[in-house]
Amino acid sequence: QKEVEQNSGPLSVPEGAIASLNCTYSDRVSQSFFWYRQYSGKSPELIMSIYSNGDKEDGRFTAQLNKASQYVSLLIRDSQPSDSATYLCAVNKGSNQGGKLIFGQGTELSVKP
Amino acid sequence: EPEVTQTPSHQVTQMGQEVILRCVPISNHLYFYWYRQILGQKVEFLVSFYNNEISEKSEIFDDQFSVERPDGSNFTLKIRSTKLEDSAMYFCASSEQGVAYGYTFGSGTRLTVV
Repeated sequence: QKEVEQNSGPLSVPEGAIASLNCTYSDRVSQSFFWYRQYSGKSPELIMSIYSNGDKEDGRFTAQLNKASQYVSLLIRDSQPSDSATYLCAVNKGSNQGGKLIFGQGTELSVKP
Repeated sequence: EPEVTQTPSHQVTQMGQEVILRCVPISNHLYFYWYRQILGQKVEFLVSFYNNEISEKSEIFDDQFSVERPDGSNFTLKIRSTKLEDSAMYFCASSEQGVAYGYTFGSGTRLTVV
């Protein structure tokens, strides 16, 4: 089983729609969860972090965490063509200070005008 | 907004040559990392560095790799004898308080081994 698993996509949504991106992880002791956005040829950019079960909203983005199901999701409301990118789910492994982030393969999102 | 700076942006090297990739982390950050991403693949952890020593390294980070913080600002990754399979994008990252709070990534160095 992969440590962090995402559907690779591509996920195609029309402009203005809600994009839903999903991620599962295998390590039950993980405490910190992140969503990064990566444009083609660029570095990952942190867009959301979540640490507790439930929802966390930041602008058009909502992260959802369910530790019992080992599941993290990202909702993007009112999707814009500029949201077209690969979205990376990352989970911490190890201690909160000295550990590392394990990344999923990423889900490619395409927002059509 | 503070940035992690990486140089060079692109490096082409011959197989067997040594390369040094350079990074300037954000000034008040204490935790430093190197990751790599082979084209079309996921971002992979190489090494973490804190308090002037390696905290953790992956299986990829073998004897051909080393890291150094030679002064108060630079953080370098050295590959002693490059192989074709070392061709990848290398990202430096830094964090103020550790992995639990996420990283800021640099813009990356694309290493091409020919």
